[in-house]
Amino acid sequence: GENVEQHPSTLSVQEGDSAVIKCTYSDSASNYFPWYKQELGKRPQLIIDIRSNVGEKKDQRIAVTLNKTAKHFSLHITETQPEDSAVYFCAASYNYGQNFVFGPGTRLSVLP
Amino acid sequence: DTEVTQTPKHLVMGMTNKKSLKCEQHMGHRAMYWYKQKAKKPPELMFVYSYEKLSINESVPSRFSPECPNSSLLNLHLHALQPEDSALYLCASSPLGQGGSNQPQHFGDGTRLSIL
Repeated sequence: GENVEQHPSTLSVQEGDSAVIKCTYSDSASNYFPWYKQELGKRPQLIIDIRSNVGEKKDQRIAVTLNKTAKHFSLHITETQPEDSAVYFCAASYNYGQNFVFGPGTRLSVLP
Repeated sequence: DTEVTQTPKHLVMGMTNKKSLKCEQHMGHRAMYWYKQKAKKPPELMFVYSYEKLSINESVPSRFSPECPNSSLLNLHLHALQPEDSALYLCASSPLGQGGSNQPQHFGDGTRLSIL
């Protein structure tokens, strides 16, 4: 089955700096890679996703890159703000999109 | 309506009790999911329903029994749970893409379950 690793497990940045979180996956059949943000006590919320036929996707301050050959993908947040503080999960999807395996999560702290 | 609604928000039950968790969505999504999330851990997939039929069961103990009575509702029936089953139970839904294409999942707020 699929295995997703995520680094770092914790990340602290100064407000305004950039944050990068990296994930690797094991199953070359995985073809959909969403990123979720989960604030304390709240639901995971999709913030951006990328499919295997695309190398990069951007949405305002958030971007995701995918390297299929190396089986890794990364989340980039620019101009970080305190409200970006949360746990971020990457995920990889296979089995026609019905099976999602999550990475262990990264706790991001944006310091004012 | 872009929400997945879960009830109850909190549930405390004894190991001999029977209870049910409920999930509802009105986005027309034909895939629905149950996840278990322990503190400081990622969500772990338990069950997947596609077109109201169970398509994935991730080797979940039989004390958890899912049910999908229609395309908008998903239940999780609980019986004889153990203290280690205490967790946040998340429901999610997604469209089923044509040709098996992947679609994003929308999560509910979860039910926080405590087993005494």
